[in-house]
Amino acid sequence: EVQVVESGGGLIQPGGSLRLSCAASGFSVSSNYMSWVRQAPGKGLEWVSLIYSGGSTYYADSVKGRFTISRDNSKNTLYLHMNSLRADDTAVYYCARGGSPYNWFDPWGQGTQVTVSS
Amino acid sequence: EIVLTQSPATLSLSPGERATLSCRASQSVSIYLAWYQHRPGQAPRLLIHDASNRATGIPARFSGSGSGTDFTLTISSLEPEDFAVYYCQHRGNWPLTFGGGTKVEIK
Repeated sequence: EVQVVESGGGLIQPGGSLRLSCAASGFSVSSNYMSWVRQAPGKGLEWVSLIYSGGSTYYADSVKGRFTISRDNSKNTLYLHMNSLRADDTAVYYCARGGSPYNWFDPWGQGTQVTVSS
Repeated sequence: EIVLTQSPATLSLSPGERATLSCRASQSVSIYLAWYQHRPGQAPRLLIHDASNRATGIPARFSGSGSGTDFTLTISSLEPEDFAVYYCQHRGNWPLTFGGGTKVEIK
């Protein structure tokens, strides 16, 4: 079965760092475009970051310079390294296959909650 | 940035009724539009891609239409599990954006 499962969320103070993980099964992370999408409380979905199969990375302006997307091919796992966290980064973070101008987000994980608060 | 505007924000209907959801783009996205279903606490699910193509395993009661700037998602007869939030999304250019969502609630 093709699926992704996120982990690593939690409560973190403003200015702190956190690393989210996304374990994939049924397909290879290294051969696919992989994305992070978030949903802040009461808000809609916001694309956050994308890594191409070739390794190129892209970020939303709201996280550029603070977040880094990466992957470990041996573990078939995608990561999102989040630094200098702010209150407005509070959201459920979803991992999804796809998300480039060439393909759609499918499948998605169930998400992991990140809360930035003192 | 392409802005996607969904209407209505909330749709109150009964099981068995027909649901019609709209998504309007601020500029043409050709047919590069998808619809996702999001139930609370669950993973979002791809329903329709490239404006009118059902994703694998999606029931025939879901259909999509449109091109350019105006798109429609139709649920022909609502089942209890269809009450959820629906988002449209384009992949016309960077950045990829989503609409604000339409909540389909039980009347």
